[in-house]
Amino acid sequence: AQSVTQLGSHVSVSEGALVLLRCNYSSSVPPYLFWYVQYPNQGLQLLLKYTSAATLVNGITGFGAEFQKSETSFHLTKPSAHMRDAAEYFCAVSDSSGFNTIFGAGTRLFVKA
Amino acid sequence: DADVTQTPRNRITKTGKRIMLECSQTKGHDRMYWYRQDPGLGLRLIYYSFDVKDINKGEISDGYSVSRQAQAKFSLSLESAIPNQTALYFCATSDSTRSTEAFFGQGTRLTVV
Repeated sequence: AQSVTQLGSHVSVSEGALVLLRCNYSSSVPPYLFWYVQYPNQGLQLLLKYTSAATLVNGITGFGAEFQKSETSFHLTKPSAHMRDAAEYFCAVSDSSGFNTIFGAGTRLFVKA
Repeated sequence: DADVTQTPRNRITKTGKRIMLECSQTKGHDRMYWYRQDPGLGLRLIYYSFDVKDINKGEISDGYSVSRQAQAKFSLSLESAIPNQTALYFCATSDSTRSTEAFFGQGTRLTVV
């Protein structure tokens, strides 16, 4: 069975600091991995996805993630946080069927001025 | 206009009442999903549909039913609402011919009193 663990329900960083949101997954088959972002009062938007083409994935708004098979991790990073990055971030894992997508519990990112 | 539209956006209802949440999409996707979001639990799948004739239960289908009226429309019903169904509900779509990423509506905030 697939599962997703996001370490830390809340992460707080200063504006301009590195953002690191952690995600570990378990999957019995090669996974598709996603990061979604949810801004207040909105639905989830795809930030980036890994589908086995490259281990380093760049997404929108300056975020990136690295698929590390040995560590079963797909951590989200951004070199320099901006106030507009304050949102909730969800890691998700899926097999190729699509319907079996499992979401993590989410990490709320706070950005301090 | 949004690609995935949910109505209503907010609803307060009484225990025991029947309520329907509606979802329509203009993306032409074949797959549609209903998720429930609760704080600290991420998103959990209620029902999913791969086409008009294919409806499947998700992780937490008890107390819910769905109807796929057309490729573009997928409604979620609570036959007899109870307070622990108070949550944020999301409809999502995906295209089976492209990738497994999901496109979300803006959500319906349901409160059962």
